[in-house]
Amino acid sequence: SYELTQPLSVSVALGQTARISCGGSKIGFKNVHWYRQKPGQAPVLVIYRDRNRPSGIPERISGSNSGNTATLTISGAQAGDEADYYCQVWDINTYVFGTGTKVTVL
Amino acid sequence: EEQLVQSGAEVKKPGQSLKISCQGSEYSFTNYWIAWVRQMPGKGLEWMGSVYPADADTRYSPSFQGQVTMSADRTSRTAYLQWSSLKASDTAMYYCARHERISGSFDHWGQGTLVTVSS
Repeated sequence: SYELTQPLSVSVALGQTARISCGGSKIGFKNVHWYRQKPGQAPVLVIYRDRNRPSGIPERISGSNSGNTATLTISGAQAGDEADYYCQVWDINTYVFGTGTKVTVL
Repeated sequence: EEQLVQSGAEVKKPGQSLKISCQGSEYSFTNYWIAWVRQMPGKGLEWMGSVYPADADTRYSPSFQGQVTMSADRTSRTAYLQWSSLKASDTAMYYCARHERISGSFDHWGQGTLVTVSS
């Protein structure tokens, strides 16, 4: 079955840039979606189809996807960006979520 | 505002049955799939399956096939997730979410239903 691997945690200084990777075999050929989940809350879609932002998501949140790695980039990190982030793809009749990354803003 | 509202928390004993719900509002309910996602305590997200209310087409993750049943009622705009015999390992938060196409993103989520199974 298809697997998506994310780093367990990423730390970023306030105002700096955080990059969260999502590794999977030939993931560049798939559409990748990203979700943010704050403690005690439901997930929220932040990027769909690799690089598109839903309404209400700021431009400092961006995505890219190529080869075997998709990346979510958070520019100008704020305290409110602290959360768990999950990538997701559709593969052979199954949705697969990544292992999740905890982002800490220092 | 488009919303998915889930039923309240449940506490059950092993072997009991359970049906939880997810009601959609302010959007065309039959134009979107409803997915169910499990999150065990302290763990990540797992897709369980999706149901299409327009024709009751259902897709299950291999990990959950035969373990749960998904259904939907177009009249009441409600999707359901049910178990016939709960196990302690079913203790988790369960989220519903909608997606427009079978490979699409989950653009709206319910608030979650906490299911606790304990003797």
